Order: sequence, then C-alpha cells, then structure tokens
Amino acid sequence: DGGITQSPKYLFRKEGQNVTLSCEQNLNHDAMYWYRQDPGQGLRLIYYSQIVNDFQKGDIAEGYSVSREKKESFPLTVTSAQKNPTAFYLCASSKDRALILPQHFGDGTRLSIL
Amino acid sequence: AQKITQTQPGMFVQEKEAVTLDCTYDTSDQSYGLFWYKQPSSGEMIFLIYQGSYDEQNATEGRYSLNFQKARKSANLVISASQLGDSAMYFCAMREDILTGGGNKLTFGTGTQLKVEL
Repeated sequence: DGGITQSPKYLFRKEGQNVTLSCEQNLNHDAMYWYRQDPGQGLRLIYYSQIVNDFQKGDIAEGYSVSREKKESFPLTVTSAQKNPTAFYLCASSKDRALILPQHFGDGTRLSIL
Repeated sequence: AQKITQTQPGMFVQEKEAVTLDCTYDTSDQSYGLFWYKQPSSGEMIFLIYQGSYDEQNATEGRYSLNFQKARKSANLVISASQLGDSAMYFCAMREDILTGGGNKLTFGTGTQLKVEL
C-alpha cells in the first residue's frame, strides 16, 4: 500500500546532540512537509519542499534543517540549536502543490530529551 | 490575530447524536480552502473533508458535513450519528491564496477534543 513512513516512532536526544527523523513516501507526491505538534496545540510548519533539491522555511524553522535529495525522502534534522525539541513531529506529503487536495500524514515521531 | 480559531477545547456527545465543532478563520484572500482533520490518540492525522472558498455547496463526506458560512468566516464541522470511534482530536486548517504566497501551506487551529459517550 502507498503511504508515508516515519521512523523511528520514539526518539531520545541527549543535550548537544543532533538527531535526524526519517520520512519516506511512495505516493509519488511532489510536495512534502514537516510539522511540530506540542501538547494542546495545533500543528506548526517547520519546513516544506515542493520539488527535489528545493525547500522553504516554515513558521518555526530555527534549530532545524532538512534536505530533499530524492522525491521520496525528506529527512528532518533537529540540531543542538533547538533548545526545546521535545514534541511530536509529523511528516506530510501532497500530490497537489497548491493544496487543493489534502495532505497525507505519517504516523509521527515522538522526540524527547534525555 | 489567529488565522484559525477553535473555541471549544473539549466536547462531549452521546452516541448516535449529532455534534458541531466550531471553526472560524481570518483571511483577506478571496481564494482559500478549509480542511478538517481527525487525530486519534495514536497520533496520525486523518483527512475528513475539504471546502473551497468558491464552492457554492457545503461539502459532505458520509457522516461529515461542513457548515460553511462565508460572510461569518466560519467552517463548522458537523458529525451526524456519532460513534464511539469518533472520539479524537479534531483540527480545522486553512490554505490561503497561492497567488499571495499562502497556497502551499496549511495553518492549523488548536483543535477540539471530542469524546463520544454511551
């Protein structure tokens, strides 16, 4: 079945450490997105990419980095500069860059500080 | 100002009853879209329904319908015949006009936690 796979499901980060969250899709979608969700809040956009080798900052990009070397993959790195990384991270993709069609989401990664 | 406002942090409804989840939005764009997503406790986001700003009819998808009142800038989700499996967090989201740079991302509200009771 086509879908979006996020790994790992749970991730723990030590102080000063960079960690990378994986997001892979086999839906042949051009656009991919990373969101952060904190308790009691909605999703906030970190980064998005509408085409391979191109990406844009979202509303809360500071302390994060991404790459888009392949259409299927959009990994997110949480750097040591992100001082409050504990959150639920969701990856999404969309066939339609203009978002007339809905985004499809992965199952998420829960990141915690050790 | 918040672009998407969901004023009901939590709602209770009895099984088989209908429930309305409120969503108001703020945009000066003429072309925009509104989405509703469901998030069960497991965390995944499930798309429910979409309404475009130029759609004349209110969107419907099975037991879900969207009460779109453009002049009031509201896009309330109506769930008919509630089921226990409807218990989840529900998010309203907006996509603004691509021509003004807002078309390639969604802005989400803070969500409403719905609990369906026997």
